[in-house]
Amino acid sequence: GAGVSQSPRYKVAKRGQDVALRCDPISGHVSLFWYQQALGQGPEFLTYFQNEAQLDKSGLPSDRFFAERPEGSVSTLKIQRTQQEDSAVYLCASGLGLADGETQYFGPGTRLLVL
Amino acid sequence: AQSVTQLDSQVPVFEEAPVELRCNYSSSVSVYLFWYVQYPNQGLQLLLKYLSGSTLVKGINGFEAEFNKSQTSFHLRKPSVHISDTAEYFCALNYGGSQGNLIFGKGTKLSVKP
Repeated sequence: GAGVSQSPRYKVAKRGQDVALRCDPISGHVSLFWYQQALGQGPEFLTYFQNEAQLDKSGLPSDRFFAERPEGSVSTLKIQRTQQEDSAVYLCASGLGLADGETQYFGPGTRLLVL
Repeated sequence: AQSVTQLDSQVPVFEEAPVELRCNYSSSVSVYLFWYVQYPNQGLQLLLKYLSGSTLVKGINGFEAEFNKSQTSFHLRKPSVHISDTAEYFCALNYGGSQGNLIFGKGTKLSVKP
């Protein structure tokens, strides 16, 4: 079956531009996570949804970052007034939402470069 | 607070040699441990995970890992590597009540040379 997909795969933005990154999780998956992976680093947690509810946004680095999942499936991560330090790969992952320790299935990521 | 340390940023090894990628963690509560692999320009793929029970966990592609609670380690091993194992490997954890978000190490780049 189809895995997690993300679009666009690559995005170049001028500093100050707004960007929107899309994630299509595996159909039926309740949990959805966003991670930020800076160059040479491991992914870092940004935010978590259970269905349409955003239960944890403690990892969002600033109020310029905003995520939504209005119908409990597709999610969008929006970054306003992008800065150079926002350059990173943004990973989306989904899961069944059944229990701690469950497997998360990752998309290929969106590579964002802010000039 | 919970954390994951991957002791080696790069591991070069010759084809058909054994390899061990080291991972240590810090946590005051029980944890679930994972190894993910990331091939260039691809997302992370689960290799194996430890939830409970047997401390030796077998995963895909011939990899295995051993959970050692006393040493707070979860090292990844493969007895004979292939060129196709060249990738970046991430150790990660989550814990009960964490809502599932993973805490990752910085990764280890495995380079398999012919």
